[in-house]
Amino acid sequence: AQSVTQLGSHVSVSEGALVLLRCNYSSSVPPYLFWYVQYPNQGLQLLLKYTTGATLVKGINGFEAEFKKSETSFHLTKPSAHMSDAAEYFCAVKAAGNTGKLIFGQGTTLQVKP
Amino acid sequence: EADIYQTPRYLVIGTGKKITLECSQTMGHDKMYWYQQDPGMELHLIHYSYGVNSTEKGDLSSESTVSRIRTEHFPLTLESARPSHTSQYLCASSEKNWDGYTFGSGTRLTVV
Repeated sequence: AQSVTQLGSHVSVSEGALVLLRCNYSSSVPPYLFWYVQYPNQGLQLLLKYTTGATLVKGINGFEAEFKKSETSFHLTKPSAHMSDAAEYFCAVKAAGNTGKLIFGQGTTLQVKP
Repeated sequence: EADIYQTPRYLVIGTGKKITLECSQTMGHDKMYWYQQDPGMELHLIHYSYGVNSTEKGDLSSESTVSRIRTEHFPLTLESARPSHTSQYLCASSEKNWDGYTFGSGTRLTVV
């Protein structure tokens, strides 16, 4: 069965510091991987996705993620945190088959300190 | 600007009431989904649809029902609300050749 594990339910960084949010997945098929961000009282917004091709994926708001098949990882990074980055972040993998379902991790809350 | 709309955004309702959560999208997407999200928890798929007149139950058992009479509309109904239904409900859609979800803003339901 496919699954997603996000290491660390809460991550705290200082403004200007590197952001690293960890995501590991298990999948029996080549994975499609996603990172979503959720601001308070909002739905989820797509940050970036990996389907095929280049393993380093750039997304919105300066975020990027690297697909590492050997490590089954898809960690999200941003070189310099901004106060507006404080939010909940979800990693997801597309389920096998044609349903189009996404399987989400538990989420990581990013706190940015001034 | 959101192309998928959920109403109401917030709802407080008494036990035993029937409620319908609305979800509409203007993108012509065939696939639509309902997820349930409890605070600090991951999202759980409760219903999905491939297109008109197609509905399927998701991974999380739910007492809710859905319908898909029009492409753009995917309402979720609870016949008799209970406190255990208190949660956030998120609607999403995706294109047929599938490139990720577009989410609505969610409905936060409280059953008292």
